[in-house]
Amino acid sequence: QVQLQESGPGLVKPSETLSLACAVSGGSINSYYWNWIRQPPGKGLEWIGNVYYSGSTNYNPSLKSRVAISVDTSKNQFSLKLSSVTAADTAVYYCARGYNSFDYWGQGTLVTVSS
Amino acid sequence: DIQMTQSPSSLSASVGDRVTITCRASQSISNYLNWYQQKPGQAPKLLIYAASSLQSGVPSRFSGSGSGTDFTLTISSLQPEDFATYYCQQSYSTPRTFGQGTKVEIK
Repeated sequence: QVQLQESGPGLVKPSETLSLACAVSGGSINSYYWNWIRQPPGKGLEWIGNVYYSGSTNYNPSLKSRVAISVDTSKNQFSLKLSSVTAADTAVYYCARGYNSFDYWGQGTLVTVSS
Repeated sequence: DIQMTQSPSSLSASVGDRVTITCRASQSISNYLNWYQQKPGQAPKLLIYAASSLQSGVPSRFSGSGSGTDFTLTISSLQPEDFATYYCQQSYSTPRTFGQGTKVEIK
């Protein structure tokens, strides 16, 4: 059974960079797309972007200037960096597998942007 | 971006009821439409992919239909564990976008 687990700081200061990692277990990171999706408290879901195991990426244009997603196949994990964060970036961040649909998800990690 | 609009935003229903949720895309997306269920404090769970294909392990009381711009998620007989928020999501183009959600509450 494939499992995904997010990790990273739960509190980030405004203007700093949010950094999260997603560890994939129970299966290989190869041959799949891997996504970051976020959900502000009490609100809906927003797709941030994805990375293929080869390293190619797709980003949401609304965040493209601030986001970077990378993959480390040797560690079977992928990562998210979101720069110049503001309070509007406070959300639960999920990692998920898939290109069209997202069949495996991490449990999510709440990241709060506050000084 | 393709806008996804769900209706209703919320509904109240009883156990055993037939429940229908609709999702409309701002342009034709063929059958590139997926449905998710999310319970409080949990990650979304994939129910239906490609508009009408049931994800492995999902009960058969869940079904999806539609193509083009209009789609439907149907729960044939609502069970206590089905009270949750449901989201549609298009995979026709990037960025992937979700509907705003439909909360199914106990009547």
